[in-house]
Amino acid sequence: AQSVTQPDIHITVSEGASLELRCNYSYGATPYLFWYVQSPGQGLQLLLKYFSGDTLVQGIKGFEAEFKRSQSSFNLRKPSVHWSDAAEYFCAVGDRDSGTYKYIFGTGTRLKVLA
Amino acid sequence: NAGVTQTPKFQVLKTGQSMTLQCAQDMNHEYMSWYRQDPGMGLRLIHYSVGAGITDQGEVPNGYNVSRSTTEDFPLRLLSAAPSQTSVYFCASSSPGQGYYEQYFGPGTRLTVT
Repeated sequence: AQSVTQPDIHITVSEGASLELRCNYSYGATPYLFWYVQSPGQGLQLLLKYFSGDTLVQGIKGFEAEFKRSQSSFNLRKPSVHWSDAAEYFCAVGDRDSGTYKYIFGTGTRLKVLA
Repeated sequence: NAGVTQTPKFQVLKTGQSMTLQCAQDMNHEYMSWYRQDPGMGLRLIHYSVGAGITDQGEVPNGYNVSRSTTEDFPLRLLSAAPSQTSVYFCASSSPGQGYYEQYFGPGTRLTVT
């Protein structure tokens, strides 16, 4: 069965420091992969997505992610974190084979940014 | 475009009451879905629809009903609310016709069942 694991429930970084949020997935083929961000009390906003091609994808707000097939990972990175990046981040896998367009979400990583 | 809209934003129900969470989208998306978000559990799929008249169950469908009579609307019904249904509910839509199916999310409905 497909699954998504975000091993870090909470991460705290200082403003200006670099950030990496981990995401591992289980899927039989090449999945659609997404990262979403959710600010407190808000809905989900898409940061970036991977479907095919270049394994390093750029997103909004200075985020990037790298698809590594050999490690079944899609980690999110940002070179310098801003206080406004404090939020919860969700990795998701899209089922591209069943035709049902279903997503499976990880349990999220809550990011705290220290001034 | 308004995107995906949800009403109400907040709702408090007593155990056993029924209600309908509304979801509408103006992007002509074929695919719509309902998720619930609970602390530490991410988003879990309740029901989804791949087009008008077609619905199917997701991961946690019990206690919820859906129907899809139009492309635009996808209401979620709680027939007899239970405290376990206290959650934040998100509706999303997407269109595979765009070559991929990025989901667009509504702002959510926070439901409390007492």
